[in-house]
Parts: sequence; C-alpha cells; structure tokens
Amino acid sequence: AQTVTQSQPEMSVQEAETVTLSCTYDTSESDYYLFWYKQPPSRQMILVIRQEAYKQQNATENRFSVNFQKAAKSFSLKISDSQLGDAAMYFCAYRSASGSNYKLTFGKGTLLTVNP
Amino acid sequence: GAVVSQHPSRVICKSGTSVKIECRSLDFQATTMFWYRQFPKQSLMLMATSNEGSKATYEQGVEKDKFLINHASLTLSTLTVTSAHPEDSSFYICSASIPGLSARTEAFFGQGTRLTVV
Repeated sequence: AQTVTQSQPEMSVQEAETVTLSCTYDTSESDYYLFWYKQPPSRQMILVIRQEAYKQQNATENRFSVNFQKAAKSFSLKISDSQLGDAAMYFCAYRSASGSNYKLTFGKGTLLTVNP
Repeated sequence: GAVVSQHPSRVICKSGTSVKIECRSLDFQATTMFWYRQFPKQSLMLMATSNEGSKATYEQGVEKDKFLINHASLTLSTLTVTSAHPEDSSFYICSASIPGLSARTEAFFGQGTRLTVV
C-alpha cells in the first residue's frame, strides 16, 4: 500500500517570502500522480498543483512549484511571494496510474500560516 | 473545472436517527465517487468508493451497515449515516472524477458536510 508522509504539522512564512512544504511517499509503482491540495478555512479542497511521475520536469503553476525527486520519493511544494490568502492546510496526495483504482492517498497535512 | 455539489453543508441530528448526505456531479457523469471523513485538524480518511450501479467498496474498519452508500445514477451518490451517535460527528467530503483519461489527473471535491450528532 502507498503511504504519504508530511513531516511538518505546521509552518509559517512572512508575507512576500518563500516557503517550502515537504512530502515524501512510499510506493512500489513506477507510474503515478502526485498532487498538492489546499484546504482553506472554508474546507473546500482546491487543487494547487499536479505532477505526473513519468515527467522529469517539475510542475509549476504561477507562484507554486514542486521539486519532484522520483528516486528519493520526495515531492516538496514551494510557494513564492507568499500571500495572506495562501494561509491554509496543505495536503500532499498520491494516486496510482494503473488499474481502475482512482483513489487518492493523503498525507496528514501541513498548516501554513502567513504573517503580515 | 467540473463542479461537485454536496448537500447539506451542515446538519444537526439527534442521536439514534439517520441522516442522508448527497453528492452530485453537476456538469459531468461520475461512475465513481469517493467519500471521505475528516476530523478536526486531521487529514481526509477514505471511507468508501461509490460505484454507479453496484455495491460500494468500503475501506477496512468502516462499518458498511452504519454508513450506507447508494450510487443510483451517474450524477448522484448518497451517504446515509444510520443510527447516528455523537462519535459520528465529523466533516464528510465527497469527490468525483470525470471518467476517462482525466480520471487520474483530476478530482473534484464537494464543499463538505459538517455533521453534528446531539
């Protein structure tokens, strides 16, 4: 079974600064997808960024980028120019690319605080 | 992106009663939907996979007789918490994916339902 580990229960960053959230995972599969989801106080889950394991290039979405290290099974999220609206719970998630199993496996989350 | 609507957003029920939560895919057909439970300041725990036209697949440790799932149409899955107890109080979230190639790359979540059993 796959597992996702987020070792930072809480992180804080100053507005306009950069912060990196860590995520490691364990899998025996070679093809899969990795995600970062944001859950603000409204508790609506919002997709931040997605990475396909077969792609070597790290995904980027505006101020959000990932550092995907497949051999190390590491998938960190970097938030640049942090904004107050980035404050939320961030979940790293894994999804298999094979078979008919579409379920997501989530890490325990990192609560990000953005200080003005 | 696609929209998944969950209803109600909040519900309070008395201990011993049953409560139904609906999850609808508004602009796409979802053959598979997922139900999660989330305790305060914790992660999402998958409860079950809802399959249209067939029985749901429950995760280990989830009581299928307590958490009844029905996926009668391609746009609606329901979770019924039967004989609710205070320990069933939690935040319940559903998600769905568009069938096909995008199923693995996109998951759309409902707004969640906060259940309080008194």
